[in-house]
Amino acid sequence: DIQMTQSPSSLSASVGDRVTITCQASQDIRNYLNWYQQKPGKAPKLLIYDASNLETGVPSRFSGSGSGADFTFTISSLQPEDIATYYCQQYDNLPFTFGQGTKLEIK
Amino acid sequence: EVQLVESGGGSVKPGGSLRLSCAASGFTFSNAWMSWVRQAPGKGLEWVGRIKSTTDGGTTDYAAPVKGRFTISRDDAKNTLYVQMSSLKTEDTAVYYCTTGSNVLGYWGQGTLVTVSS
Repeated sequence: DIQMTQSPSSLSASVGDRVTITCQASQDIRNYLNWYQQKPGKAPKLLIYDASNLETGVPSRFSGSGSGADFTFTISSLQPEDIATYYCQQYDNLPFTFGQGTKLEIK
Repeated sequence: EVQLVESGGGSVKPGGSLRLSCAASGFTFSNAWMSWVRQAPGKGLEWVGRIKSTTDGGTTDYAAPVKGRFTISRDDAKNTLYVQMSSLKTEDTAVYYCTTGSNVLGYWGQGTLVTVSS
């Protein structure tokens, strides 16, 4: 199975900060990577697909980049409503696997 | 508007069985590949399995921990996705989400909690 390693596991930042989360795959997954946001007590929500494509309706402060085995998720200016846990997910090989999550808190 | 509503969760003893349902609306269910993802309490997301659309063969794939114990199926006439879970273990305790798609999980239901405990 492909292992997905997110970093950091948790992050505290201030409103307006630029926030970056990384996701590393255990092998080349081309650009077959998605990012999801999960707010407390809620279902996950798709934010970014195919590494860098913004899902319809998602604010433009969210972005993704990378290919191969190294990926980055960025919030350009953190807002209070962005408090959530963020997950990457690969779909290059079955079984599809998720990173362990990055919990984002407001400082 | 896409809606996915899971039901059927509850408490069951180890070794028991349970069937979860996911009622879908707001899109052409028969054309959709569908998936199940679970989340143990306080833990991350775990892919459970998927089913292709009937027109694409309706075949299924499963994660290793559930293979041979879980069966994903669909009823296109009822716009409903199922997962039949048997030989349940305590480690199957989780919120189970149904999702649209296979590679990209575009829409998610609210989830249904399955608790496996003696």
